[in-house]
Amino acid sequence: QQQVKQSPQSLIVQKGGIPIINCAYENTAFDYFPWYQQFPGKGPALLIAIRPDVSEKKEGRFTISFNKSAKQFSLHIMDSQPGDSATYFCAASSKGNQGGKLIFGQGTELSVKP
Amino acid sequence: EAQVTQNPRYLITVTGKKLTVTCSQNMNHEYMSWYRQDPGLGLRQIYYSMNVEVTDKGDVPEGYKVSRKEKRNFPLILESPSPNQTSLYFCASSSPGTHNEKLFFGSGTQLSVL
Repeated sequence: QQQVKQSPQSLIVQKGGIPIINCAYENTAFDYFPWYQQFPGKGPALLIAIRPDVSEKKEGRFTISFNKSAKQFSLHIMDSQPGDSATYFCAASSKGNQGGKLIFGQGTELSVKP
Repeated sequence: EAQVTQNPRYLITVTGKKLTVTCSQNMNHEYMSWYRQDPGLGLRQIYYSMNVEVTDKGDVPEGYKVSRKEKRNFPLILESPSPNQTSLYFCASSSPGTHNEKLFFGSGTQLSVL
């Protein structure tokens, strides 16, 4: 019940394409859903996050779509660029669980071809 | 510059030889945590600390120890490393509150146990 399942494991798109990464969770107590971006040789860094009171959040070319009833959320990258090539992790947490411990998905390695 | 500093970046050791990976943050964060990253498994929490002298197990604590004697430091200790602890390790910290709303990660330590 604590798991966050992420797919696909890897993704290759052409420049300008719209990669979509999906995550699903079981624990209905989760109330915070961030996405982290990790470049090779670096630690993950917070990219964008959403709470379940909204169905969509957009920051620049990055959009989170959230479906509370299906317990799923996804990351869309508009007009993807080679510089977006990275590993992306979804995560989830709840306030009452160990101070908001983040449960991470398995990660998606995105490659954007020029 | 606000940062989480891990050392060393790379470490090759042999089975059974005790080692310590250091982690230090300069943001006065109360919460610190250690993760390991393995292909297909994402980021899994090893141990975390809510404050000085307060530590607790994460999801994969076996074979690891931690201590939190000072707010800024959170070393990870492998008393008797084994090959299944070969992994990429990350230290992270975040500001106080019931949510780890933004985790700051170090650059990682690649550990190989032969």
